[in-house]
Amino acid sequence: DQQVKQNSPSLSVQEGRISILNCDYTNSMFDYFLWYKKYPAEGPTFLISISSIKDKNEDGRFTVFLNKSAKHLSLHIVPSQPGDSAVYFCAASNRIQGAQKLVFGQGTRLTINP
Amino acid sequence: EAQVTQNPRYLITVTGKKLTVTCSQNMNHEYMSWYRQDPGLGLRQIYYSMNVEVTDKGDVPEGYKVSRKEKRNFPLILESPSPNQTSLYFCASKMNWAAYGYTFGSGTRLTVV
Repeated sequence: DQQVKQNSPSLSVQEGRISILNCDYTNSMFDYFLWYKKYPAEGPTFLISISSIKDKNEDGRFTVFLNKSAKHLSLHIVPSQPGDSAVYFCAASNRIQGAQKLVFGQGTRLTINP
Repeated sequence: EAQVTQNPRYLITVTGKKLTVTCSQNMNHEYMSWYRQDPGLGLRQIYYSMNVEVTDKGDVPEGYKVSRKEKRNFPLILESPSPNQTSLYFCASKMNWAAYGYTFGSGTRLTVV
């Protein structure tokens, strides 16, 4: 049972435009969400997170939006740069179950074209 | 430099030959975990450890063992590897069980033939 789903395996965006990566979840108990970025031959690195008490969190070019009613979150990258080409993982957790239980999505490979 | 170090980075082995993947962190983190990454499945947790001598199963623990005798080390043991354990493995650590931000190692690509 895939509780966190990233339905787009890949996404291609022109440099300078907006990249939008989507993530859906099924467990309504999730209350904290994270995005990780992964380059080839490296481990995932933390990018940005959002608590369920918020609907938006911004950090420079990266913004995460959370729609709790739709159980959907998205990561916006504006403007997209070639160095943003990577695999992006969405992850979710809940405080009751304990933060050790991070559930990851399948990942979306983002390619930024010059 | 704060980091999680895994060894080896690449490993090809034969079915049934016991192997250990080492993981070490230098951040004095209490919590450590092992994940495997497979195409179309994302990252799935194998085992985790909340502190020394405290370990528990994740989502896919079958065929794996772990130990946490020291705070900095969390080795992953495959007693009798099988081809379905061919995968990309990541060790990760974080400050404690309540923290959300993992630091991941660079990964170990294991092939079992």
